[in-house]
Amino acid sequence: SQQGEEDPQALSIQEGENATMNCSYKTSINNLQWYRQNSGRGLVHLILIRSNEREKHSGRLRVTLDTSKKSSSLLITASRAADTASYFCATGGPDNDYKLSFGAGTTVTVRA
Amino acid sequence: NAGVTQTPKFQVLKTGQSMTLQCAQDMNHEYMSWYRQDPGMGLRLIHYSVGAGITDQGEVPNGYNVSRSTTEDFPLRLLSAAPSQTSVYFCASRRQGRETQYFGPGTRLLVL
Repeated sequence: SQQGEEDPQALSIQEGENATMNCSYKTSINNLQWYRQNSGRGLVHLILIRSNEREKHSGRLRVTLDTSKKSSSLLITASRAADTASYFCATGGPDNDYKLSFGAGTTVTVRA
Repeated sequence: NAGVTQTPKFQVLKTGQSMTLQCAQDMNHEYMSWYRQDPGMGLRLIHYSVGAGITDQGEVPNGYNVSRSTTEDFPLRLLSAAPSQTSVYFCASRRQGRETQYFGPGTRLLVL
């Protein structure tokens, strides 16, 4: 069964706007990762946040983690057409973290 | 480095046929995994390996076999293809002790 669930399923924004997507999970985690998938391609790792961290930045990406609510958010600032992709959260459990559990993803479309 | 490579890119099978999806990585990663991706769903783990000679089942292992005779290669065998195995298959690898997974470009499989 899927551990993570992303919200919304799809998001359409104008170039330059910010995009925010959320991920909720069910059980305790060791870390939470976000991946991007361009159409017809494999997944690419974006950022990882550990269970003892609350916020992390990487370029135009900002990730937050609230373990009390079992949720995470990914913010992409100043979006570009090249950010058009599907975004997936993946959780690594505390006991067996080489088995990542993926959500169904958020499809982001950035309009020029 | 080529990273994670997968062959073929696309394959059409008839029900009952068998085939092997190839996966290779040149990063000397200990861990390798096979996932399937279906529309509207996240990636689901089929089988994984933590090193040569060691494999284990993931979330959806039925109908698939794997072996890991070398660190570099991790083939996935479909024993008797069924239409329910129509999917996109991704191979991934990661280094022991590191959480980031590296994905191949995927194999699109259509079972008629």
